Amino acid sequence: DVKVTQSSRYLVKRTGEKVFLECVQDMDHENMFWYRQDPGLGLRLIYFSYDVKMKEKGDIPEGYSVSREKKERFSLILESASTNQTSMYLCASSPPKDGYNEKLFFGSGTQLSVL
Amino acid sequence: GQNIDQPTEMTATEGAIVQINCTYQTSGFNGLFWYQQHAGEAPTFLSYNVLDGLEEKGRFSSFLSRSKGYSYLLLKELQMKDSASYLCAGMDSNYQLIWGAGTKLIIKP
Repeated sequence: DVKVTQSSRYLVKRTGEKVFLECVQDMDHENMFWYRQDPGLGLRLIYFSYDVKMKEKGDIPEGYSVSREKKERFSLILESASTNQTSMYLCASSPPKDGYNEKLFFGSGTQLSVL
Repeated sequence: GQNIDQPTEMTATEGAIVQINCTYQTSGFNGLFWYQQHAGEAPTFLSYNVLDGLEEKGRFSSFLSRSKGYSYLLLKELQMKDSASYLCAGMDSNYQLIWGAGTKLIIKP
């Protein structure tokens, strides 16, 4: 089974701190994604990557950056955390785009609280 | 704009059948996904429809009508473990997913 592992289940940070959220997948997937999930809203795409050292902005990239130095690892960086970035962050991966209908495999999420 | 609508919450009885509806408006269409998410856990893939009609997978079935911009997830013989949120997502012409807010399904004994 595909495993997508997020480094922290819960994280509490202070406003202005730099925050790193790590995600590792073990199935050699090309595609990796970062979403945030907030109550009453659908998943919102922050950034995605289709290859090593490649990144694309999603719908809400402001205040975030990403790094993909290795195929299996996709990191989300909050340069200066703010309270409106308190959210559940979900990482996902998928196989190569073959018909563009590949399902996503999600990690268990990181609940980030910014105080 | 692009939009996915689904009910916020539904309640059903163990052993019964429930239908969760989803209507979508996307710029182009490349399929409709359903995911299940138990509280505090990762979403997991349930189904993908790109052609009209009903696809059955055990107790779960998913239906799509492209002309109506409508899909539903049908859960039969409900079990307590089916209590979860069900996420509907449409794929647009750029192969980007548009997500609904999810339907929280509560199963009562």
